[in-house]
Amino acid sequence: GAVVSQHPSWVICKSGTSVKIECRSLDFQATTMFWYRQFPKQSLMLMATSNEGSKATYEQGVEKDKFLINHASLTLSTLTVTSAHPEDSSFYICSARRLAGEGFVETQYFGPGTRLLVL
Amino acid sequence: AQKITQTQPGMFVQEKEAVTLDCTYDTSDQSYGLFWYKQPSSGEMIFLIYQGSYDEQNATEGRYSLNFQKARKSANLVISASQLGDSAMYFCAMYGMNRDDKIIFGKGTRLHILP
Repeated sequence: GAVVSQHPSWVICKSGTSVKIECRSLDFQATTMFWYRQFPKQSLMLMATSNEGSKATYEQGVEKDKFLINHASLTLSTLTVTSAHPEDSSFYICSARRLAGEGFVETQYFGPGTRLLVL
Repeated sequence: AQKITQTQPGMFVQEKEAVTLDCTYDTSDQSYGLFWYKQPSSGEMIFLIYQGSYDEQNATEGRYSLNFQKARKSANLVISASQLGDSAMYFCAMYGMNRDDKIIFGKGTRLHILP
């Protein structure tokens, strides 16, 4: 079935460094991908919508200069956490939507997530 | 604005029993989609089931079925014959008319299956 991958799975970095997280749709094209973050014991919170070939749409309260999103192709979106600080430590999850087709319903698949720990 | 409400923060169910996880939603859109996801302790979001607002029949996927009551704006997840591996966090989610719309999530229900 359709799979969305994320890389890396775990990141531990020092405060002030930048971290790039990749999200790939492995067997389908996704014009739109979504980036979420999740704090322990909380629900997923949408950070931004990543559109292939155009600028990302950020949710209110999310700093676009802090969280850079690039949707380089129909199968790849990247999230860069710039100048990361301890409060950016979280679980980041990307998602890609696959439209309905022959034999399958429309659905949104999620990557396995990336755990970021900023020291 | 759209809203998802899951009123059960946690549930404990005996193995092999059926489970119903509640979800109500609010939207002004005529066309929308509803999802259920399972999140085990690993953190991965696992797609379980999808229901389109114009689908007349309730969606089913194996042991999962979605009890869709459009007039009441509810989309409860039913798990038949629960298994120990079903212990996880379950999220109800939806998106609106525009297919590029973001998915919004409920706060989730923590399901514990007891042996």
